[in-house]
Amino acid sequence: GAVVSQHPSRVICKSGTSVKIECRSLDFQATTMFWYRQFPKQSLMLMATSNEGSKATYEQGVEKDKFLINHASLTLSTLTVASAHPEDSSFYICSASGQPLVDEQFFGPGTRLTVL
Amino acid sequence: EDKVVQSPLSLVVHEGDTVTLNCSYEVTNFRSLLWYKQEKKAPTFLFMLTSSGIEKKSGRLSSILDKKELFSILNITATQTGDSAIYLCAAGWEKTIFGAGTRLFVKA
Repeated sequence: GAVVSQHPSRVICKSGTSVKIECRSLDFQATTMFWYRQFPKQSLMLMATSNEGSKATYEQGVEKDKFLINHASLTLSTLTVASAHPEDSSFYICSASGQPLVDEQFFGPGTRLTVL
Repeated sequence: EDKVVQSPLSLVVHEGDTVTLNCSYEVTNFRSLLWYKQEKKAPTFLFMLTSSGIEKKSGRLSSILDKKELFSILNITATQTGDSAIYLCAAGWEKTIFGAGTRLFVKA
């Protein structure tokens, strides 16, 4: 199957810091990328969907000025958590779909964000 | 309101048992139903189902979709301890709604 990587795998930062998480599709062109967050012992929650070259579509209740998503190329999407606070601590996961695997979603390994 | 409901929420079985995990859905823009296995970190894709009545198989795992009843099942035969995980069901596509998951524990 296709490979999606995320970087960093873990980040610990102070409150007020902005954190950038990268999601890369390594062997296919990711026309669509999805960003999720997951709290402990809870299911995934879709935050936003981004298509390459266009603005991300955010789910209801997700602040677009807080969670900045950029999908500038077919292999890279970034999620920036602006001025992170302890309540933003969570597990952030990206997934990607695209050519030639248009009917499948492949997940990155996730990024554990801890805001002190 | 879109929703995906999985049952049971948790399940404990012995190695060699067969388990059936259930997923029902109500989503406005349904295109496909997906099953994932989640262990310690990010989910692993298992199956994508788009057509009713066509079983998909991968080793000891199989799944089928009933679009009339808005329902899917995931079967695992001859369970092994390595099957212990949370199994997530999701429906939709561009807006993917996830169920709460079924936590499966397989005892040796």
